[in-house]
Amino acid sequence: GDSVTQMEGPVTLSEEAFLTINCTYTATGYPSLFWYVQYPGEGLQLLLKATKADDKGSNKGFEATYRKETTSFHLEKGSVQVSDSAVYFCALGGNQFYFGTGTSLTVIP
Amino acid sequence: SQTIHQWPATLVQPVGSPLSLECTVEGTSNPNLYWYRQAAGRGLQLLFYSVGIGQISSEVPQNLSASRPQDRQFILSSKKLLLSDSGFYLCAWSLGGSGFYNEQFFGPGTRLTVL
Repeated sequence: GDSVTQMEGPVTLSEEAFLTINCTYTATGYPSLFWYVQYPGEGLQLLLKATKADDKGSNKGFEATYRKETTSFHLEKGSVQVSDSAVYFCALGGNQFYFGTGTSLTVIP
Repeated sequence: SQTIHQWPATLVQPVGSPLSLECTVEGTSNPNLYWYRQAAGRGLQLLFYSVGIGQISSEVPQNLSASRPQDRQFILSSKKLLLSDSGFYLCAWSLGGSGFYNEQFFGPGTRLTVL
């Protein structure tokens, strides 16, 4: 069946460092792919999405490209800020909706 | 624009007591609706989803139940809470009619503590 595998955390970075959070998927069809962010004590917010191969989703300096050849949707940001500290979830939408296990990011000044 | 409401925001209940959590969506019609649970420091567990009034699919056997009495209302219930029911409960919606390809939008969540 379909599934999402996400990089284990926690991840700790210094401010202005480069961020990559890996996400790979398994799917029988052509799913949509998403990244969500969850700040402490809050619900999940959609960060970005891509609906077909080679699409790049972007928002707030974060980017992810839908790579069908490597079945990946890695999240990247060139320069993280303290305010980016949160838990990030990769997700796949198709015949069902699947979330990764989440990656906790802490950015230190 | 669409908004999603959940209440209460926090709840402390004794073991064996009943539970009712409510979720409502505004600004859309015939949405898909979802209930998730998130245990401390863990990922999301899908509990129930609904594609229409009175249509409930259960993903995990447990002592919880869900109902959808109106198009944009989704209720999570229990007759007798267990300690293991503690967690952060999230309601979400997505556009209906096209499987699960659309993004889900989440409410603010309910923090439930069972003592």
